[in-house]
Amino acid sequence: AQTVTQSQPEMSVQEAETVTLSCTYDTSESDYYLFWYKQPPSRQMILVIRQEAYKQQNATENRFSVNFQKAAKSFSLKISDSQLGDAAMYFCAYRSADYKLSFGAGTTVTVRA
Amino acid sequence: NAGVTQTPKFQVLKTGQSMTLQCAQDMNHEYMSWYRQDPGMGLRLIHYSVGAGITDQGEVPNGYNVSRSTTEDFPLRLLSAAPSQTSVYFCASSSLSWKDTQYFGPGTRLTVL
Repeated sequence: AQTVTQSQPEMSVQEAETVTLSCTYDTSESDYYLFWYKQPPSRQMILVIRQEAYKQQNATENRFSVNFQKAAKSFSLKISDSQLGDAAMYFCAYRSADYKLSFGAGTTVTVRA
Repeated sequence: NAGVTQTPKFQVLKTGQSMTLQCAQDMNHEYMSWYRQDPGMGLRLIHYSVGAGITDQGEVPNGYNVSRSTTEDFPLRLLSAAPSQTSVYFCASSSLSWKDTQYFGPGTRLTVL
């Protein structure tokens, strides 16, 4: 399994502000996919955003964007204009060509009103 | 279209008991997988399958068995439950395009006393 590291167990952000979650990974593959998943208290895993390693352009989905640095093996998630509904645990995940997903340990995001 | 369904949602077992966690998907996905989620460790792959009749071990397979007799169903069996198997279990499915995200079930919270 690939190693995925999320070094921030918890992050707190003021409503309407921006927060950035970090993720690094270890791989020798040249092509792969990276994902961010959100897990609210309901426990459901929800896809937030995905990035193909061959695409240099950073993916964006509404208020969520990534900073993908392939050489540094870094894949951070930026949440802009944070809302109360963004409070959740966020997981970074790596998917290789054999379909397996490797997850980081997760970052709990708290949004202050 | 129900997506990925899991039963039961909650289960309490005594050490040594056996049980089967059910997983079904109605998206005609070839790839199905089981994960366990433990605090501070993210999701870890237990077993996976790339089609009916084909299964393989993931990162933490010990104590668990799987089979895949149909495309739709992928049950996970605990032969002799141990307290170390107390966890939240997720089933997921996807197409065999490795670029596709995995779709997750709602999870089963299992407690082994």
